[in-house]
Amino acid sequence: GAVVSQHPSRVICKSGTSVKIECRSLDFQATTMFWYRQFPKQSLMLMATSNEGSKATYEQGVEKDKFLINHASLTLSTLTVTSAHPEDSSFYICSAVPGQGRGVRTEAFFGQGTRLTVV
Amino acid sequence: QQQVKQSPQSLIVQKGGISIINCAYENTAFDYFPWYQQFPGKGPALLIAIRPDVSEKKEGRFTISFNKSAKQFSLHIMDSQPGDSATYFCAARGNAGNMLTFGGGTRLMVKP
Repeated sequence: GAVVSQHPSRVICKSGTSVKIECRSLDFQATTMFWYRQFPKQSLMLMATSNEGSKATYEQGVEKDKFLINHASLTLSTLTVTSAHPEDSSFYICSAVPGQGRGVRTEAFFGQGTRLTVV
Repeated sequence: QQQVKQSPQSLIVQKGGISIINCAYENTAFDYFPWYQQFPGKGPALLIAIRPDVSEKKEGRFTISFNKSAKQFSLHIMDSQPGDSATYFCAARGNAGNMLTFGGGTRLMVKP
């Protein structure tokens, strides 16, 4: 199956600093990638839709200036948590959908997740 | 508003038993219903998926049953094994775009 690599798998940072998480589709190109946040024992909460070559679409309640998303190529999207605070500590997961063009519809493949701890 | 409701939240099954997880949805525009398996500290992995034009899909020990009129679908895990212990999420995708709406998840424990 298609592989989505997420890096780092774990990161600890100090309050006030910024952290970048990478999501790469290793064997396919993806026009669209999604970023999720997951709290312990809870479901995945969609944060934003990352579109290659254009601005990300954020879900209601997600601060776009705090969670910066860049989708510079068809195989890479990055999520930067800026000025991190302890409440940003969470499990962040990306997914990528194979295919080029907005009209392509197929299954999504998920990265292995990033555990962010802000101290 | 939770568009996909999943039950139970947790489930304990003996080895060899059948695990059954149920989901219900409200949006009739959903046209693709995948199930994901997630182990602690890992991302979700696609287990099996169904489209509303069929009522059942089976892959190995995993079966999805789909009831379009009731807007419900369920996952059956036959001959459950301790290695199946994980969190299972149902999801649904609308007929435009690739965005998934997830159920709340079910933590399955299979006792040896």
